[in-house]
Formats: sequence, C-alpha cells, structure tokens
Amino acid sequence: GQQVMQIPQYQHVQEGEDFTTYCNSSTTLSNIQWYKQRPGGHPVFLIQLVKSGEVKKQKRLTFQFGEAKKNSSLHITATQTTDVGTYFCAGPQEGNKLVFGAGTILRVKS
Amino acid sequence: DAGVIQSPRHEVTEMGQEVTLRCKPISGHDYLFWYRQTMMRGLELLIYFNNNVPIDDSGMPEDRFSAKMPNASFSTLKIQPSEPRDSAVYFCASSRGYRDIEQYFGPGTRLTVT
Repeated sequence: GQQVMQIPQYQHVQEGEDFTTYCNSSTTLSNIQWYKQRPGGHPVFLIQLVKSGEVKKQKRLTFQFGEAKKNSSLHITATQTTDVGTYFCAGPQEGNKLVFGAGTILRVKS
Repeated sequence: DAGVIQSPRHEVTEMGQEVTLRCKPISGHDYLFWYRQTMMRGLELLIYFNNNVPIDDSGMPEDRFSAKMPNASFSTLKIQPSEPRDSAVYFCASSRGYRDIEQYFGPGTRLTVT
C-alpha cells in the first residue's frame, strides 16, 4: 500500500533558525496536505498542494510539491516559539482516505 | 461553526469495561473519520463513513472495536472489552465531499485503560 515517509523525526532549533521537514511517497500523489499539531492539541490543516512543482507561502512557511508529485517539503524561516509542534504531511489514498506521515516534532529554544 | 465535537475529552476506565466515544461532525460534511494516535504507531485511520455508511473499516484493530453513524450528526466508536493497549488519543474528523478533502479534526478523547 501507499506509504508516506517523513524526515526528520525530531528537530530542536534555536529561535530564529530555519527548519525544514521532508515528505516522500512511494507512489504519485494527486495532492499533498500539511497539518500542524500543537502539543496536547489536534491536527490542524495548513495547506494543500495539487500541481507538480507547486510552491505556496504562508508568511514564514514555504511549502513545495515535487515535480514528480512524490515528495514535498515544508520550510519555516526564522522559527519562533509559536512554531513548536508536530508537522504532518498526508496524501490521499483511494476514496477519501488520507495516509499520514509519522510527523516531524519541532522544538524551539528561546 | 463549533467545529467537530468529541466527548468525553478524557476517559479513564478499567480493563474489561466498555468504552463509548462520541463525535458530532461539522454540519454539511458528508465524510467522517475515526483516528487513533499513539507514540508508537502515530496517527492511524480506524474507519471512515460517507453519508453515514461505513466505507472502509480495515483499520479497526479487532472485533472489540465497533463504530456506528446512525445519522449525519452523530457517530460513536465503541470498545468492548477495553484493554490497556487501547490507551491512546482518539480523534474524529470530518470533511466535505471527495475533492475538498481537507479534514477538520475534533479535540480528541484521551483514553486510559488501567
């Protein structure tokens, strides 16, 4: 079945440093979604990428979808303490099922 | 909009007891999902419904787990009998249709089975 691999598993950065998490799928994806889960919270949708090579920005967050639509990345510029949490990528399987990556835990030292 | 509502938020029970988790999806969403999250296994899809009909329950761990959706505004996930390894956070999520597949998650139910 389809798998979504995400790296790194964990990253601890100094406030102000950049952060990147990568997502790779074993199959071509029709789209990819990114979610953020704050500690003790629930996953919250951030963005969806659909087109090959697509790049979208949300303030300090930059999302990319690979040309082959099998990989994606999330880059945060100049991290802040409010960025802490777990970032998940997710790709749709048949029907309406989403396959979630294992997530990248981000910790920010102030 | 109140978002996806789940109850209870926390549940502590003894092994062997029946546990019922409840979910109210966002009005107008015709897909409902039940997930389980643990440190070891991450976020796992247990079952999902479309228009109140179960579509895929392949993620349900075993016969001790069952889920129902009697109407568009209510779903339950039942564990009977519960076991310590069922301890996890259970999330309910809903979404609109097939193309708009952004999922909205509820706050979750933290289940502890002792």
